Amino acid sequence: EAGVAQSPRYKIIEKRQSVAFWCNPISGHATLYWYQQILGQGPKLLIQFQNNGVVDDSQLPKDRFSAERLKGVDSTLKIQPAKLEDSAVYLCASSSASVISYNEQFFGPGTRLTVL
Amino acid sequence: AQRVTQPEKLLSVFKGAPVELKCNYSYSGSPELFWYVQYSRQRLQLLLRHISRESIKGFTADLNKGETSFHLKKPFAQEEDSAMYYCALSWGAGGTSYGKLTFGQGTILTVHP
Repeated sequence: EAGVAQSPRYKIIEKRQSVAFWCNPISGHATLYWYQQILGQGPKLLIQFQNNGVVDDSQLPKDRFSAERLKGVDSTLKIQPAKLEDSAVYLCASSSASVISYNEQFFGPGTRLTVL
Repeated sequence: AQRVTQPEKLLSVFKGAPVELKCNYSYSGSPELFWYVQYSRQRLQLLLRHISRESIKGFTADLNKGETSFHLKKPFAQEEDSAMYYCALSWGAGGTSYGKLTFGQGTILTVHP
């Protein structure tokens, strides 16, 4: 089966600019996650969707980050305006997890963002 | 709050030597623990989960609730085991968990020939 797709793979912007990342999960996976991975650290969950609804966005810096999954399939993550500390790899993952069970998360290749 | 600690950032062993990657967690409830691996230029992928009690690629991990540990072990390391390894915790069957993961900082394992 096709894996999780992400684009772009790399992005370089200047601080205060805006940027958007796109994710297409594995077909049929209702749960979608966005993670931020800063160099030298493990991935940190930013937001979690179940279909087109947000399950958890407690760690999303909502003053500058936003995410949507309007039709319950593709998702976009936006940063506006970007700060230097937003430089990281942004990972998208999907799974068929439900409220009562954990299922394996499948990760995309990530988008490496550099903010200058 | 849940927390995962991997005390070693780097671990080097020689081929054929035993290897143990340490993971400790803190969580007041009943956790599920996982090891994820990222090989060079590949995606992050699941290696094993404690509930399966499987041996994957010769690796095993036992959940020790008394010591709150989930160390990853392999008796004879191979060069192809060189990778970044992350311990991760999922919590809360029921409620609104939907399989959220908290990751440790990761351990880079290098197996020398």
